[in-house]
This record gives sequence, structure tokens and C-alpha cells, in this order.
Amino acid sequence: DAKTTQPPSMDCAEGRAANLPCNHSTISGNEYVYWYRQIHSQGPQYIIHGLKNNETNEMASLIITEDRKSSTLILPHATLRDTAVYYCIVRPQGNMLTFGGGTRLMVKP
Amino acid sequence: DAGVIQSPRHEVTEMGQEVTLRCKPISGHNSLFWYRQTMMRGLELLIYFNNNVPIDDSGMPEDRFSAKMPNASFSTLKIQPSEPRDSAVYFCASKEQDPGNTEAFFGQGTRLTVV
Repeated sequence: DAKTTQPPSMDCAEGRAANLPCNHSTISGNEYVYWYRQIHSQGPQYIIHGLKNNETNEMASLIITEDRKSSTLILPHATLRDTAVYYCIVRPQGNMLTFGGGTRLMVKP
Repeated sequence: DAGVIQSPRHEVTEMGQEVTLRCKPISGHNSLFWYRQTMMRGLELLIYFNNNVPIDDSGMPEDRFSAKMPNASFSTLKIQPSEPRDSAVYFCASKEQDPGNTEAFFGQGTRLTVV
């Protein structure tokens, strides 16, 4: 699976958009970009995934660059409950999920 | 559906004892994963099953660890004998088998402490 690089930590003000970057410069054509998050003491939770096009759901938006070498997860209006570790994962269809270090997002009042 | 159910939620055991962790996947999911999480090593994939068959167990640390999936609704992860360095949170996850990009659902985890 392609390796991902994420900043270890980020802060965001409550109510503002949180933009979490992820670099995956070695991604290959059949690999999807997945985002999960882990709130303290809980199991990881799926957020969103995409291949080429930008995606949006009720939780977040995923912006993938045209060359697919990086992506950004956007939480449009962060709340204190969004404080968590966010994992960016790239994987081919059919393979298991391999987690890296993730980004620890702290939403502050 | 109640989601992925793991038991026990907490386990404290003495070194050398056998430990069995249990997982009930979401009904209809035919892929199951066992992960271990520690501060030092993060989330590590130990083993995963497709249709009750182990596909990749390269993450299992050593022979003291074994996992079984006797049917589609139950899996166990056993450590025998347990050691203090096995202390971690163990997560089970399930998903529909690809193709069809689907999300994995995780249980709440079992926090294991070996003293």
C-alpha cells in the first residue's frame, strides 16, 4: 500500500473549518484514499473515501488533487467532539486497512 | 444492528495465563480484522479473515498468538502464555468483502493488562 504523510498534530477553533492534509505521492491508479478518525478510548470510525473525484457526506468533504498525490479532509464547522486522531489511508480495492500515525486534531473553544 | 461487539471490555491477567478475546462481527459482513493498539506502535493489523478463512496473519507477533473464526458470527484471539508486553487495546473490525469499496466498522476494543 502507498505510504501517507500527515502532520502529527493540528489545532482548530471551534466553529471554524478544519483542513487536514495528507500526502500520498506514491499512490497508484487503483488505490483509494480513506479517512478514519479515532476519538479517545473508542474504535476507529470511518469518515469518507474517494478515488479521483472530490467527495462530500454528512461528516466531511474530501478534496483530492488532480495528480492524486495529496488530499485534504475538511470538517466544515469543527466542534469540540471532533477532537480526535485522524488517519489518512490509501489502499487498493480489496486490501485491508493499514494505519499510520495520523493527525491529532485538537478543537479549542 | 448493534455493531461489532467485543468482549470483555477490560481484562487484567497475570503473566503466563491464557487470555481469550472475543468478537462478534456485524451480521452479513464476511471480512474480519484483529488490530492491536499501543502508544509506542500505534494501530497494528494482526490478522484478517475472509469468509472465515485466515488470509494474512503476518502481523501476528509470535506463536503465542492465535486467532480463529469458527463461523461467520464469531472470532477469537488467544494469547497463551500472556506477557506484560502484550498489554494493549485490541480491536476487532468487520466489513463487507470487496469488491465494492465498503467501510470497516470497529468494535469498542478490549483493554488488556498483563501484570
